[in-house]
Amino acid sequence: NAGVMQNPRHLVRRRGQEARLRCSPMKGHSHVYWYRQLPEEGLKFMVYLQKENIIDESGMPKERFSAEFPKEGPSILRIQQVVRGDSAAYFCASSPTSRGETEAFFGQGTRLTVV
Amino acid sequence: SQKIEQNSEALNIQEGKTATLTCNYTNYSPAYLQWYRQDPGRGPVFLLLIRENEKEKRKERLKVTFDTTLKQSLFHITASQPADSATYLCALVPGGTSYGKLTFGQGTILTVHP
Repeated sequence: NAGVMQNPRHLVRRRGQEARLRCSPMKGHSHVYWYRQLPEEGLKFMVYLQKENIIDESGMPKERFSAEFPKEGPSILRIQQVVRGDSAAYFCASSPTSRGETEAFFGQGTRLTVV
Repeated sequence: SQKIEQNSEALNIQEGKTATLTCNYTNYSPAYLQWYRQDPGRGPVFLLLIRENEKEKRKERLKVTFDTTLKQSLFHITASQPADSATYLCALVPGGTSYGKLTFGQGTILTVHP
């Protein structure tokens, strides 16, 4: 059973370009969370999705950021018109249930660098 | 305001000693508190979960305590080894949250010297 797969592992974008980050949860997991880790800061919650639904996007910047988790395929975090401040490591985590006492399985992250 | 703080940014200990890491929180009533390990360039890996009605949890050389009066969790690694060197993160799930939205501390970098 493969773990949570994120790709790409590293992504370089010029200011103003779009960044697409992909996350394939563990098999059988239908709950996906995205977190951002800025340099010298802790992990911050961005969004929680179930299949085809955004449940909680309270940590997402209001502009330029969007997320989806379609019925088929990976979850996508999309950042439009990237700026230098978007440079960070983006992690997704999946779990088999929505319950808060369930451990989260994290991917290896996508390191986004905006130049 | 709500805060979750890990009291040491870095902790250095000798191999064989017990490492104790602290996680304090304010203005939260967590239902669960979790501890993760993160190695450089990798994602966090789950270690232990403790519920608000539990005082202590153990797993092999790891022990977690949870004091809701002090609003504090302690994480212990006994008989530490250089391979235990990593960043350790505490994370809580606020009470009243029906899903696993985690709020993380900033982490403590543990270095175990041979």
